[in-house]
Amino acid sequence: QVLLVQSGAEVQKPGASVRVSCKASGYSFVDYGISWVRQAPGQGLEWMGWVSAYYGDTKYAQKFQDRVTLTTDSSTTTAYMELRSLRSDDTAVYYCTREGQRGASIFFQYWGQGTLVTVSS
Amino acid sequence: DIQMTQSPSSLSASIGDRVTITCRASQSITNYLNWYQQKPGKAPKFLIYAASSLESGVPSRFSGSGSGTDFTLTISSLQPEDFATYYCQQSYTTPRTFGQGTKVEIK
Repeated sequence: QVLLVQSGAEVQKPGASVRVSCKASGYSFVDYGISWVRQAPGQGLEWMGWVSAYYGDTKYAQKFQDRVTLTTDSSTTTAYMELRSLRSDDTAVYYCTREGQRGASIFFQYWGQGTLVTVSS
Repeated sequence: DIQMTQSPSSLSASIGDRVTITCRASQSITNYLNWYQQKPGKAPKFLIYAASSLESGVPSRFSGSGSGTDFTLTISSLQPEDFATYYCQQSYTTPRTFGQGTKVEIK
């Protein structure tokens, strides 16, 4: 079965960077893109960006364009999200999600368990 | 960016009730609309794609409809395990955007 297992919780200081990993298994890693979605405490879901596991090309939400880098490593079937210049309002649970596609419809079919990133001095 | 607006933000319902949640897009997204269910402390679960197609394994009491800018998620007979927050999401274009969520609570 498809599994996405994320790295553990992080506590970082303002201005620092964080890197969250997402280990994929149960499918051909390079055949699907990975998106990252975050959720601040008590808030809704916010899409950050997408990375192709085959080509490595990326799309980012403009809000995060200057601070986030999404990458993949096909040798370890792992996706990474790095967020720089952290602020207190970056405190959130970060999810990786594997896309699915049926016809022209694309959706977030499988989700990691989430990684809590806390930004605090 | 395409804005997705859900209504209501929350609702209270009883077991067996029919529940309808509305999602409106700020421009036409044809039928590129997905629905997710999220329970507290858990990752979202994918329910419906292309506005009305049920993901495999999702109970048939869930249904979706709509096209263009207006969409609905209906739970025909609410069950105890359905108390959760529901999100719509458009996949018409990037950035992918979600509605703000609708929390379904026990009356």
